[in-house]
Amino acid sequence: DIQMTQSPSSLSASVGDRVTITCRASQSISSYLNWYQQKPGKAPKLLIYAASSLQSGVPSRFSGSGSGTDFTLTISSLQPEDFATYYCQQSYTLYTFGQGTKLEIK
Amino acid sequence: QVQLVQSGSELKKPGASVKVSCKASGYTFTSYAMNWVRQAPGQGLEWMGWINTNTGNPTYAQGFTGRFVFSLDTSVSTAYLQISSLKAEDTAVYYCARIDEGSPTREFDYWGQGTLVTVSS
Repeated sequence: DIQMTQSPSSLSASVGDRVTITCRASQSISSYLNWYQQKPGKAPKLLIYAASSLQSGVPSRFSGSGSGTDFTLTISSLQPEDFATYYCQQSYTLYTFGQGTKLEIK
Repeated sequence: QVQLVQSGSELKKPGASVKVSCKASGYTFTSYAMNWVRQAPGQGLEWMGWINTNTGNPTYAQGFTGRFVFSLDTSVSTAYLQISSLKAEDTAVYYCARIDEGSPTREFDYWGQGTLVTVSS
């Protein structure tokens, strides 16, 4: 099974900060990497698919990069509505989620 | 617009069964596979498996065989998750989420709102 490891597990930041979250796969997954945002009590929302493609309607301050085993999600200038938990997911072989990164207000 | 609307919260006793529904609208139901994802209280997302909406063939992730059954009623564009012999550790929010079977990237682009299943005596 492919394991996904996110870092950090939690992160404190301020509005306007640039934030990067990392996701590492236990084996190469090419670009089969997706990112989701989840707010408390809500369903996850797709942000980025295929490592770097922005889902329709998602603000351009979100971006993704990487291939193989190492991936990043970057938020260029944090907005109040971005404080949430973020999950990576591999779709190379079936599906596996990372453990999540909780982004909190500093 | 695409919508996945799930059935309401359930409170069940250990040993009972539950059936969660996920009704799709706004797209051709059989053009998208349906996945199920579990989220235990305060925990992360766990993929349970998926069902091919054309053939009805299910695939279960490790740890979700035996007591978990995915099914469909294509006449009403609805997917179901049934869990039998419920245990306290089945307490979780269960989500349905679709994927485009024709897409090579297979991202989960739309999700249901989630169904809380609570197992308690």
